Amino acid sequence: DSGVTQTPKHLITATGQRVTLRCSPRSGDLSVYWYQQSLDQGLQFLIQYYNGEERAKGNILERFSAQQFPDLHSELNLSSLELGDSALYFCASSVDRGRAETQYFGPGTRLLVL
Amino acid sequence: AQSVTQPDIHITVSEGASLELRCNYSYGATPYLFWYVQSPGQGLQLLLKYFSGDTLVQGIKGFEAEFKRSQSSFNLRKPSVHWSDAAEYFCAVGVRTGANNLFFGTGTRLTVIP
Repeated sequence: DSGVTQTPKHLITATGQRVTLRCSPRSGDLSVYWYQQSLDQGLQFLIQYYNGEERAKGNILERFSAQQFPDLHSELNLSSLELGDSALYFCASSVDRGRAETQYFGPGTRLLVL
Repeated sequence: AQSVTQPDIHITVSEGASLELRCNYSYGATPYLFWYVQSPGQGLQLLLKYFSGDTLVQGIKGFEAEFKRSQSSFNLRKPSVHWSDAAEYFCAVGVRTGANNLFFGTGTRLTVIP
């Protein structure tokens, strides 16, 4: 158990809908990262938040957004969903003291868009 | 731009045999290097990491990896594979800039034959 929690574990929805994925980082970790794992794209970095502020952006679509709340949990919002958004979405966290640190991954949320 | 190559999509070994999973990276400086393992339906678990210092690093579950700067490689090894090692293995690179996100290889699926 990494200490990172993600809810829900599974999500099934229809095209055009909007969903919210939730992540709670390890205690004491200030950074949260979101990754998408799909069959065709592999594991891709989406976005990072550090202590409530956006730190870095990767291959995140404009239909996707995220935020980190004062209690450091984070939410990833996916809107106008398409079939191709079906994937496993991971959250990871790290302390992030400004140098290289290990990212600890949650169990993921599996999203299926029908 | 940084990238990670795992040339072997699928490897099959017999239980008790030795294992080497290959990883090559492309990055202008010395990166941070990681190996993660993903069991079916599970999240990513860190096996080991290299930040600096001794180029041979030991990890959990009897795994080790060696950083070879001249070959831009970070191959994962285990002297004797157990059936429980069957999983997908990901090599990842972290960069030494403000963003600490990881770049992942496409993964190597390991099958262990009894």
